[in-house]
Amino acid sequence: DAGVTQSPTHLIKTRGQHVTLRCSPISGHKSVSWYQQVLGQGPQFIFQYYEKEERGRGNFPDRFSARQFPNYSSELNVNALLLGDSALYLCASSLDAGAFYGYTFGSGTRLTVV
Amino acid sequence: DQQVKQNSPSLSVQEGRISILNCDYTNSMFDYFLWYKKYPAEGPTFLISISSIKDKNEDGRFTVFLNKSAKHLSLHIVPSQPGDSAVYFCAASEVAGQNFVFGPGTRLSVLP
Repeated sequence: DAGVTQSPTHLIKTRGQHVTLRCSPISGHKSVSWYQQVLGQGPQFIFQYYEKEERGRGNFPDRFSARQFPNYSSELNVNALLLGDSALYLCASSLDAGAFYGYTFGSGTRLTVV
Repeated sequence: DQQVKQNSPSLSVQEGRISILNCDYTNSMFDYFLWYKKYPAEGPTFLISISSIKDKNEDGRFTVFLNKSAKHLSLHIVPSQPGDSAVYFCAASEVAGQNFVFGPGTRLSVLP
């Protein structure tokens, strides 16, 4: 069984550019969440989507946006990249939005902004 | 303002002994708590969870204790094994399965 897959695994972008990160959830999982992990810190919640609708949003600027597609895959978009956006971006999926047993995380996309 | 704190950045334990990882939180609305383990170059892996209606949950070698009045939870690993060496994150949420707030993590090293 494929787990949560994220692409690309690594990415280098220049300040001011735009980036799109992609996530495919575990088959049958309808909820996708995005987290940002800066070095030395825990993951920080960005978005949660369930059935293509936004269910939650963390304390991130409007430069961050996301969407979920009919096949439950998801994209995270970041505009006008800043050096501080350099981080590991984690995608997590769960069966539904209220699953208490926890998410399954992908291995992440390492974004470096130079 | 950190809502979830893990005040020990690292912990070393001898193989076979008990590992105790601690977590404190400030938001009294948190009702759901999880522990995740993370190896380098991998995403976090779910370990064990507990809701505020319980004070203890066990799963094999892992036990989580919750003291809601003290806003404190702990993860006990008995016996500790070298393969348990990883970064452990405590996470909490107000609503089941949504918007988890993670602590900064504790790096556990289990020495053979």
